[in-house]
Amino acid sequence: KAGVTQTPRYLIKTRGQQVTLSCSPISGHRSVSWYQQTPGQGLQFLFEYFSETQRNKGNFPGRFSGRQFSNSRSEMNVSTLELGDSALYLCASRPSGDNEQFFGPGTRLTVL
Amino acid sequence: AQSVTQLDSQVPVFEEAPVELRCNYSSSVSVYLFWYVQYPNQGLQLLLKYLSGSTLVKGINGFEAEFNKSQTSFHLRKPSVHISDTAEYFCAVSERRSNSGYALNFGKGTSLLVTP
Repeated sequence: KAGVTQTPRYLIKTRGQQVTLSCSPISGHRSVSWYQQTPGQGLQFLFEYFSETQRNKGNFPGRFSGRQFSNSRSEMNVSTLELGDSALYLCASRPSGDNEQFFGPGTRLTVL
Repeated sequence: AQSVTQLDSQVPVFEEAPVELRCNYSSSVSVYLFWYVQYPNQGLQLLLKYLSGSTLVKGINGFEAEFNKSQTSFHLRKPSVHISDTAEYFCAVSERRSNSGYALNFGKGTSLLVTP
């Protein structure tokens, strides 16, 4: 089985722009979660989607949003980018009824 | 709310020596515990997990961890490390949220540096 894939792997944007990141979960996994990783704050939970519905959300401003499609692929969007949004964004998928999350390689976002 | 504390931000160790990476958590409910490893420019890979049952959990690459409920700890150990074990290690607690969702609550990470 193919693992979790994320595109693009690297992205450079400027302040004020918006960005969309994509995640394809492992086949059969219906839950997709997003995490932000920064040197200062570490790994923080952004949100989780299951069957196209946002099930849980972390403590992030409304500029961070996401969605999930019927094939379980997910996108996250960050609007009005700030310098502090520079981070590694990790996507993880999980099979139904299981605790274990499988992580993708991440998208490295740099905001200039 | 749950929190995870990794007591050491960096652990230097010589090759073939034993190592222990410490993790403590706080929670008022039952927890699921995980250790993940992250190599440079990569995502997270699961080393091992504790869900229930035996408190000694064996994982990949020769790692093991022991769940201690009374001390609320989940320390990671390896009897003999290799250069290739150099990486960032994260302890995490699984928090069951509303609507049956899950979220991982991570520690700040421990950087393991193995030298010859």
